[in-house]
Amino acid sequence: SAVISQKPSRDICQRGTSLTIQCQVDSQVTMMFWYRQQPGQSLTLIATANQGSEATYESGFVIDKFPISRPNLTFSTLTVSNMSPEDSSIYLCSVAGTPGQPQHFGDGTRLSIL
Amino acid sequence: AQSVTQPDIHITVSEGASLELRCNYSYGATPYLFWYVQSPGQGLQLLLKYFSGDTLVQGIKGFEAEFKRSQSSFNLRKPSVHWSDAAEYFCAVGAYAGGTSYGKLTFGQGTILTVHP
Repeated sequence: SAVISQKPSRDICQRGTSLTIQCQVDSQVTMMFWYRQQPGQSLTLIATANQGSEATYESGFVIDKFPISRPNLTFSTLTVSNMSPEDSSIYLCSVAGTPGQPQHFGDGTRLSIL
Repeated sequence: AQSVTQPDIHITVSEGASLELRCNYSYGATPYLFWYVQSPGQGLQLLLKYFSGDTLVQGIKGFEAEFKRSQSSFNLRKPSVHWSDAAEYFCAVGAYAGGTSYGKLTFGQGTILTVHP
């Protein structure tokens, strides 16, 4: 399966600031996703990162708050904008070679907002 | 819309005992089902998947799961638990029937497994 690298692995940020999380895959993949895992909770899909076009956001998530880029088939970024303590979560990138294949996850970015 | 229910938030077993983690799903078409494990501080690791065919699927680390369409269930089992199995386990259903949900996973709430020596 693909090797997925997420950076940073963790960060502590001040409220009102923004952080960009990177997801790098060692092979080209068709599908990339971004999930949020709030403390003690399950994973919630934020958006599907589409190569060369705007991401597809899930209900409750907006582009102004979580802008996503995907310039090619191996890389994507998620920005958490104007952060508040409620944004303290683990953010995970996942990839799938094709829609019919299972998703594989990076180790996540553990984000704390003070 | 698809959904997944894991009725047990926390399960405790003794090392060497058998294990069954429950998962019920709701999905309008033939589901694609997965079990993932998350150890503390780690991402999610795929244990096994069901797409079609044999309803009993084998995974890594000695885990297996059985798909029962009549019960809308996909329970995870292991005959003998090891201390290293302590982690959180997530069941997920995938949408592969096209449309705007194509390729998305919906996760259950997770079951935390504690293993006593």
